[in-house]
Amino acid sequence: GENVEQHPSTLSVQEGDSAVIKCTYSDSASNYFPWYKQELGKRPQLIIDIRSNVGEKKDQRIAVTLNKTAKHFSLHITETQPEDSAVYFCAASKGATSGTYKYIFGTGTRLKVLA
Amino acid sequence: DTAVSQTPKYLVTQMGNDKSIKCEQNLGHDTMYWYKQDSKKFLKIMFSYNNKELIINETVPNRFSPKSPDKAHLNLHINSLELGDSAVYFCASSRSTSYGYTFGSGTRLTVV
Repeated sequence: GENVEQHPSTLSVQEGDSAVIKCTYSDSASNYFPWYKQELGKRPQLIIDIRSNVGEKKDQRIAVTLNKTAKHFSLHITETQPEDSAVYFCAASKGATSGTYKYIFGTGTRLKVLA
Repeated sequence: DTAVSQTPKYLVTQMGNDKSIKCEQNLGHDTMYWYKQDSKKFLKIMFSYNNKELIINETVPNRFSPKSPDKAHLNLHINSLELGDSAVYFCASSRSTSYGYTFGSGTRLTVV
């Protein structure tokens, strides 16, 4: 069945260092890959996304890379700050089924940025 | 002016009770979802409605019954609550032509 694996489950970095979170998906028909950030007690919020026709996308300190052949995608956060501490989720979607997009979420990565 | 609002935010109830969670969105989206987030933070889709029609119905006990009276509302009714139902339930919405989700703030359900 559809599956998204996410690693690592926890990640601690020093403030100013980079953080990388990796996800692998199983369904080769997947064509949309969002990343969500969930702070403690809050809702998941979209931070960046990438579609299958693009290999890399960047937004300030955040970037996402996609390798369709290997079926994996990664989130890169540079110059980490304490406010980057949160749980990060990757997800994969393969398009609309009658107008609705089902995400398969990864298991989450708890990122701690140490001051 | 909250985009996707859920009520209640917290719900503590005894086993065997029946409870409902309400969700409303004012974004003009035509697709709505219910996701369950368990204690390990895993997010799993339960249901999705498009224009009031049930489109996605994952393997969820039939004690869970979604209802969408109109495009802006998606409620979740749970019968005979069990301890294992304790989780955070998130409502989300999107346009039928777009991938992007907007999540509600979640409802923390605790069954005692």
